[in-house]
Amino acid sequence: DTEVTQTPKHLVMGMTNKKSLKCEQHMGHRAMYWYKQKAKKPPELMFVYSYEKLSINESVPSRFSPECPNSSLLNLHLHALQPEDSALYLCASSQVENPYNEQFFGPGTRLTVL
Amino acid sequence: EDQVTQSPEALRLQEGESSSLNCSYTVSGLRGLFWYRQDPGKGPEFLFTLYSAGEEKEKERLKATLTKKESFLHITAPKPEDSATYLCAVRWNAGNNRKLIWGLGTSLAVNP
Repeated sequence: DTEVTQTPKHLVMGMTNKKSLKCEQHMGHRAMYWYKQKAKKPPELMFVYSYEKLSINESVPSRFSPECPNSSLLNLHLHALQPEDSALYLCASSQVENPYNEQFFGPGTRLTVL
Repeated sequence: EDQVTQSPEALRLQEGESSSLNCSYTVSGLRGLFWYRQDPGKGPEFLFTLYSAGEEKEKERLKATLTKKESFLHITAPKPEDSATYLCAVRWNAGNNRKLIWGLGTSLAVNP
């Protein structure tokens, strides 16, 4: 199984809402990532978890709050977002957080902030 | 400045017309070069990892090669289903920086 799953596929939220994005992988990978992707741009790294601990936070605003409940799950909690946060949010995983390891991406959540 | 540049930005081919996409990089201490395919509104699909100059990998109609300064993704006799954006990313391990550097991608359209 080389699949990373993400839910929901689409999400529309107001600026005062609280919502969560979910990601799951069953490949035994110990590194998981959140990316944000705008149209016609490459993915932009937000967070990295390595062995369920936050390893990298790319100076992401606090309205985005990641959580890694266990080695298979990754959540991204959203609160008080801005319209400019509308984007495709991608989850990825790799065997470990190693420069040599390829990352496998999920299908993404298309987020629209009104 | 470390960077990754992909060319061309967009490419339109006729079915069966072979061509190559380019990914050039200026990072030092390369730890891996990754090719991904991305369809609109979907996550990137992993294609290849290349680690050292001279390395080549193949998958169906795709072949990726690596030199010390660039990588090529050769597409032989493409089909319309090969239409997608092809992304190149480079990983290097200078100091504490463990990020991928991404190119902007090549948008490929294959006409039947």
